[in-house]
Amino acid sequence: QKEVEQDPGPLSVPEGAIVSLNCTYSNSAFQYFMWYRQYSRKGPELLMYTYSSGNKEDGRFTAQVDKSSKYISLFIRDSQPSDSATYLCAMTFGAAGNKLTFGGGTRVLVKP
Amino acid sequence: DAMVIQNPRYQVTQFGKPVTLSCSQTLNHNVMYWYQQKSSQAPKLLFHYYDKDFNNEADTPDNFQSRRPNTSFCFLDIRSPGLGDAAMYLCATSTGLTSTNEKLFFGSGTQLSVL
Repeated sequence: QKEVEQDPGPLSVPEGAIVSLNCTYSNSAFQYFMWYRQYSRKGPELLMYTYSSGNKEDGRFTAQVDKSSKYISLFIRDSQPSDSATYLCAMTFGAAGNKLTFGGGTRVLVKP
Repeated sequence: DAMVIQNPRYQVTQFGKPVTLSCSQTLNHNVMYWYQQKSSQAPKLLFHYYDKDFNNEADTPDNFQSRRPNTSFCFLDIRSPGLGDAAMYLCATSTGLTSTNEKLFFGSGTQLSVL
């Protein structure tokens, strides 16, 4: 079993719809949770960063963390074709120099 | 703008011919990472430098080496590339501070092809 599971997709939605992405994880010691967006043939770009359980909102993006269920989510409101990309969840224990554990990424297609 | 720059964007090499990928950063971050990402897979950490301290992942093949001559530059050397080493190689940096080290800033990557 992988430490972090993420549905690879593709997830296809019409423009303006809400995109819902999620990851599950097995190690309850993870403390910091991130979502990265990766366009084709580009490096990942940090979108959202949260610590422990709760919600965080930034513009059209909302990240949720439910540590009791070991489940994190990313919602994209009013999706645009420019949101078409692969979204990677990542998490870490939080100690200095600690490495990220990534999910495999979900490919999202927003159709005009 | 401060950033992480990788050169070249695309690299073609021959089976067994040594190749070096480069990364530079203007963020003045303490930590520099090298990741390997194959198509539709998660990035896989190869190794990282915390300042001058080299940290190798246990499952990184000996074929992969790295150098960090100064804070700004880091190199990935593949001594004898095999067909299975064809991938996107991502360089990333972080501050290395306990409270913020989790935020990685990535370069655009180098796509390596092995013929």
